[in-house]
Amino acid sequence: GAVVSQHPSRVICKSGTSVKIECRSLDFQATTMFWYRQFPKQSLMLMATSNEGSKATYEQGVEKDKFLINHASLTLSTLTVTSAHPEDSSFYICSVSGRGLTYEQYFGPGTRLTVT
Amino acid sequence: AQTVTQSQPEMSVQEAETVTLSCTYDTSESDYYLFWYKQPPSRQMILVIRQEAYKQQNATENRFSVNFQKAAKSFSLKISDSQLGDAAMYFCAYRRGGANSKLTFGKGITLSVRP
Repeated sequence: GAVVSQHPSRVICKSGTSVKIECRSLDFQATTMFWYRQFPKQSLMLMATSNEGSKATYEQGVEKDKFLINHASLTLSTLTVTSAHPEDSSFYICSVSGRGLTYEQYFGPGTRLTVT
Repeated sequence: AQTVTQSQPEMSVQEAETVTLSCTYDTSESDYYLFWYKQPPSRQMILVIRQEAYKQQNATENRFSVNFQKAAKSFSLKISDSQLGDAAMYFCAYRRGGANSKLTFGKGITLSVRP
């Protein structure tokens, strides 16, 4: 399967600031990357789907101006939480899909965001 | 819209015993895939097993096997010879056919393993 990394693994930021989370596909050309949000003991909630070189498709109820997603290359996608507030504190996970991975998605280790 | 239902929030199993986790789904598609993912306390999502809808044979991966009942839209996971390391949240997931389509997850079930 694909190896996926996320950076940072944990981040604490102050309310009103922006924070960027990187998702990298280390050994695989990820034509599509997915961003999820997960609250404790709950399921993964898909936020958006990003295809390399094009704009992300956001799920209903997800603010595209607040959660900026860029998928500039086949190995890197970034999620920027703009003007973060305490309610944005959560666990953010990315996954990759693409050529050679017909069926599965492979997940990054996640990023824990805490907004104070 | 596709939905995935895991109605049991928690289950417990004795070490070395067998446990079955239930999952049902709803779809009008004929081409789709089903998955079980494991999320241990580290929160890293790990693919346990997958099943292609067009295959009649149930998938098996070592101690993990599924009971795929297509007509009933049921997809249960059986864990044999349970080990302490099996303790985790388990998510059932659905994905329709086609390149790079998204996953739909169930709510998950927390499995604990008693020594």
